[in-house]
Amino acid sequence: DIQMTQSPSSVSASVGDRVTITCRASQGVSSWLAWYQQRPGKAPKLLIYAVSSLQSGVPSRFSGSGSGTDFTLTITSLQPEDFATYYCQQVNAFPLTFGGGTKVEIK
Amino acid sequence: EVQLVESGGGLVQPGRSLRLSCTVSGFTFGDYAMSWFRQAPGKGLEWVSFIRAKFYGGTTEYAGSVKGRFTISRDDSKSIAYLQMNSLKTEDTAVYYCTRAQLRRDRSGYSHFDHWGQGTLVTVSS
Repeated sequence: DIQMTQSPSSVSASVGDRVTITCRASQGVSSWLAWYQQRPGKAPKLLIYAVSSLQSGVPSRFSGSGSGTDFTLTITSLQPEDFATYYCQQVNAFPLTFGGGTKVEIK
Repeated sequence: EVQLVESGGGLVQPGRSLRLSCTVSGFTFGDYAMSWFRQAPGKGLEWVSFIRAKFYGGTTEYAGSVKGRFTISRDDSKSIAYLQMNSLKTEDTAVYYCTRAQLRRDRSGYSHFDHWGQGTLVTVSS
């Protein structure tokens, strides 16, 4: 199974800050890496797919990058609605696996 | 508008069975692969099961933790995906989410899960 490791597990930030979350795969996942946002009590929401493709309706302050085993989600100018937990997911091979999550908290 | 609505969750004793349903609307259900994910209380996301569209064989995949106990199926005439859960364990307690999968552009596999239901809570406890 492909293990996905996210860091940090939590980050405190202020509105307007730039936040970067990293995700490392235990083996290459090609370009099949997605990012999801989950607010408390809600279903996950797709933000980014295929490493860097922005899902329709997602604000452009979200961006993804990386290749092979190392990936990054960047939120430029954090907004109040961005305080949530973020998960990376590899879709390269079954079993599909997620990172442990990164909680973005208000500083 | 794409909608996925899960149902069938509830409290069940260990060793018993439960069947979840995912009723969809707003898209042609038969054209898409579907998947179930779950999230234990206070924990992260876990993939559970996957079923391809009939055009791609309707074949299935399972996480190791549920293989042999859970069965995913689909009824394209009713636009419903199912998750039959047998021999339930306390560690199966979670919110279960139904999702729609998107094919990669070259159709070599799947790219992401673009729509999620609101989830249904399954509690396994005596």
